[in-house]
Amino acid sequence: DAGITQSPRHKVTETGTPVTLRCHQTENHRYMYWYRQDPGHGLRLIHYSYGVKDTDKGEVSDGYSVSRSKTEDFLLTLESATSSQTSVYFCAISGGDGEAFFGQGTRLTVV
Amino acid sequence: TQLLEQSPQFLSIQEGENLTVYCNSSSVFSSLQWYRQEPGEGPVLLVTVVTGGEVKKLKRLTFQFGDARKDSSLHITAAQPGDTGLYLCAGAYLGNEKLTFGTGTRLTIIP
Repeated sequence: DAGITQSPRHKVTETGTPVTLRCHQTENHRYMYWYRQDPGHGLRLIHYSYGVKDTDKGEVSDGYSVSRSKTEDFLLTLESATSSQTSVYFCAISGGDGEAFFGQGTRLTVV
Repeated sequence: TQLLEQSPQFLSIQEGENLTVYCNSSSVFSSLQWYRQEPGEGPVLLVTVVTGGEVKKLKRLTFQFGDARKDSSLHITAAQPGDTGLYLCAGAYLGNEKLTFGTGTRLTIIP
């Protein structure tokens, strides 16, 4: 299995608070992705990274920011959490051939 | 926004039957992947297709990439309860490193 770890696995937070989710890989893959998964919407891309300090927006990037200061870590931050950001968040890594390996997911609840 | 449409959205069939699910787009893929996801887990890669017209087999699963590289199908022969899950197609479009996912087909095999 690809070495990819998400933390935390579960989090409950209050509306308006900042939240940071972490994705850590041991595969030295160039590409890292953050997706959210909601019923009826499948996996939607939030942000992705194609190298250290190189990131780009996905289709649902509003309200989220990311940072990648090291190859192995990709952080997703919700600046001010809202109830609409309650979701399951998945990190994925890829070597650039289109094949992605996913973490176990983070279940985030904003109350 | 580039869309990947999967059909059907839900499919429930008896054990031993055959089935086909589809993945369609109006854009050309550089490669296309199929994933299976079980509850509480991240998606797991099943196969990658790259060449137009390509057919790949994985035991009872047959994957086909359309000649124009805009669509794909997954055929399961003699479905088993262990095939139950969410099947997702994903693609990287030509000149784009974003991995876009379809909304998925939720398959239930009834013993």
